[in-house]
Amino acid sequence: DVKVTQSSRYLVKRTGEKVFLECVQDMDHENMFWYRQDPGLGLRLIYFSYDVKMKEKGDIPEGYSVSREKKERFSLILESASTNQTSMYLCASSLGGKQPQHFGDGTRLSIL
Amino acid sequence: ILNVEQSPQSLHVQEGDSTNFTCSFPSSNFYALHWYRWETAKSPEALFVMTLNGDEKKKGRISATLNTKEGYSYLYIKGSQPEDSATYLCAFPGDNFNKFYFGSGTKLNVKP
Repeated sequence: DVKVTQSSRYLVKRTGEKVFLECVQDMDHENMFWYRQDPGLGLRLIYFSYDVKMKEKGDIPEGYSVSREKKERFSLILESASTNQTSMYLCASSLGGKQPQHFGDGTRLSIL
Repeated sequence: ILNVEQSPQSLHVQEGDSTNFTCSFPSSNFYALHWYRWETAKSPEALFVMTLNGDEKKKGRISATLNTKEGYSYLYIKGSQPEDSATYLCAFPGDNFNKFYFGSGTKLNVKP
């Protein structure tokens, strides 16, 4: 079974802090994704990566950056956290568009 | 940004009722359509990946159909059970076939 592991289930940070969310997958998937989920808005794509060091912006990349130095690890970085980034963050990986995405358990991030 | 719409937003049914909901997506340049189930406190889980017009897939009491020409997919649940209570999401890969656009989901509540 594919395992996607996110480093924290719950995280509380302060405004202005630099925040790192880590995601690791164990199935050698090329594609990895970061989403945020807010009530009534579904899953919105922040960034995705289709290979090591390759990334593409999603629909809401402002205020975020990503890093993919190794195939199994995809990090989401909040450069200077703000209260409007309080949300549930989900990481996923897949082999491609005709293969299902496999999700981590999510990180509920609160910015105070 | 591609428009993927789901209806209804929420549904309340009694145990034993059968139910269905809809996912609408752009009909041009179809590649694949995904369905996921997202239970509270868990990560989204893939139900179906559908790729061909007229596809019909089944998993236990849950089935899905696909019409790529008119741009919709139906998800059916026969004889709903309380454990079917979840948010059901559909996702449509975008231009490069790896970037996914999710609908906002249908939240199903099955009362015993």
